[in-house]
Amino acid sequence: ELKVEQNPLFLSMQEGKNYTIYCNYSTTSDRLYWYRQDPGKSLESLFVLLSNGAVKQEGRLMASLDTKARLSTLHITAAVHDLSATYFCAVGSFAGTASKLTFGTGTRLQVTL
Amino acid sequence: GAVVSQHPSRVICKSGTSVKIECRSLDFQATTMFWYRQFPKQSLMLMATSNEGSKATYEQGVEKDKFLINHASLTLSTLTVTSAHPEDSSFYICSAPLLGSGGSYGYTFGSGTRLTVV
Repeated sequence: ELKVEQNPLFLSMQEGKNYTIYCNYSTTSDRLYWYRQDPGKSLESLFVLLSNGAVKQEGRLMASLDTKARLSTLHITAAVHDLSATYFCAVGSFAGTASKLTFGTGTRLQVTL
Repeated sequence: GAVVSQHPSRVICKSGTSVKIECRSLDFQATTMFWYRQFPKQSLMLMATSNEGSKATYEQGVEKDKFLINHASLTLSTLTVTSAHPEDSSFYICSAPLLGSGGSYGYTFGSGTRLTVV
């Protein structure tokens, strides 16, 4: 059974600081996704990582994938309050006609002034 | 881009009644739809996978007679919570996989339905 763990579960950080969220998964997969969720809302897609060594950046967020270590990271640079949200990683596993996603536990990020 | 329209966004129902949630794919055909449930401050848990024209596949521990899924067309998948009880109160989200360039997969998510059973 595929397990996906994130840490930390909760992160309070000051504006301007850097931090990394970690996502570990238990079985082989070559596709890893990062999503953002605001309170009461659905998911917003951030990154799709499809190969070992993949690195993607958008604004203050950068995601990377190491398939050998079964590890993905989401790095936050110079955090701003607008980044406060819950971040989920998700790992794809083939399920017949399409890959189903197993979500990580989520990391609730609070950026304080 | 490909959008999944989910309705209703919020519903309050009495215990023992049934509630139907609809997810429609706009501008694309969704042969597969994933249905998730999310309890407060928790992650998304996959409930079932529906495929157009065939029976849904339920995850272990999900009661198929309670959560009825219908995927009768390429643009509409529905989840009916039958005989709802307060413990069924949750946030339900549908998601359709997308085939991108080079065979890569992405997913589009509905806006979610907040179900409250009183």
